[in-house]
Amino acid sequence: EAQVTQNPRYLITVTGKKLTVTCSQNMNHEYMSWYRQDPGLGLRQIYYSMNVEVTDKGDVPEGYKVSRKEKRNFPLILESPSPNQTSLYFCASSLTGYNEQFFGPGTRLTVL
Amino acid sequence: AQSVAQPEDQVNVAEGNPLTVKCTYSVSGNPYLFWYVQYPNRGLQFLLKYITGDNLVKGSYGFEAEFNKSQTSFHLKKPSALVSDSALYFCAVRDIGSGNTPLVFGKGTRLSVIA
Repeated sequence: EAQVTQNPRYLITVTGKKLTVTCSQNMNHEYMSWYRQDPGLGLRQIYYSMNVEVTDKGDVPEGYKVSRKEKRNFPLILESPSPNQTSLYFCASSLTGYNEQFFGPGTRLTVL
Repeated sequence: AQSVAQPEDQVNVAEGNPLTVKCTYSVSGNPYLFWYVQYPNRGLQFLLKYITGDNLVKGSYGFEAEFNKSQTSFHLKKPSALVSDSALYFCAVRDIGSGNTPLVFGKGTRLSVIA
């Protein structure tokens, strides 16, 4: 089944404790992206990747890192999480940057 | 920079009535436009897109959208609403005239279809 998977689905952590949210797609898509969803703000893009080893900042990159060492994986790294990063995070992929995106199920992160 | 506006936070419609969810956009070049739907506790699902061609685009679940260049709008429509259409709807735009630009989403419109 074609899908985007994210892990973990739920995470509660404390300020400053480094964490990684994994994202993987099995559709051989070139384009991958991370978003955060906050009430009243819609979806905001954190980082995106047009292809392996190519990443670019989105609208809200501060406090986040990404890497794209292989096509299928696009992990999101929070080196020192803070409470304002409490949010619902979505990973997405598409064939290219101009095609419709397929979204993962989301990761709900709470930073205390 | 591109932007998209969904002027209504909430739209209520009776089952069987037509529905419209509004979206306007701003780009410097030509737009790629998308509609996505989010059901409770789920990720976003693609509904339809406009890239070029016919201004009326048909998508999943009986939805359609009309691209209007002069009004910079891309409203989502359905002739007869179902209770199961109740969800959060997002419009998104990408400016294809400005190099590598991200996909920008609106803030979402919550559609409530009442039986």
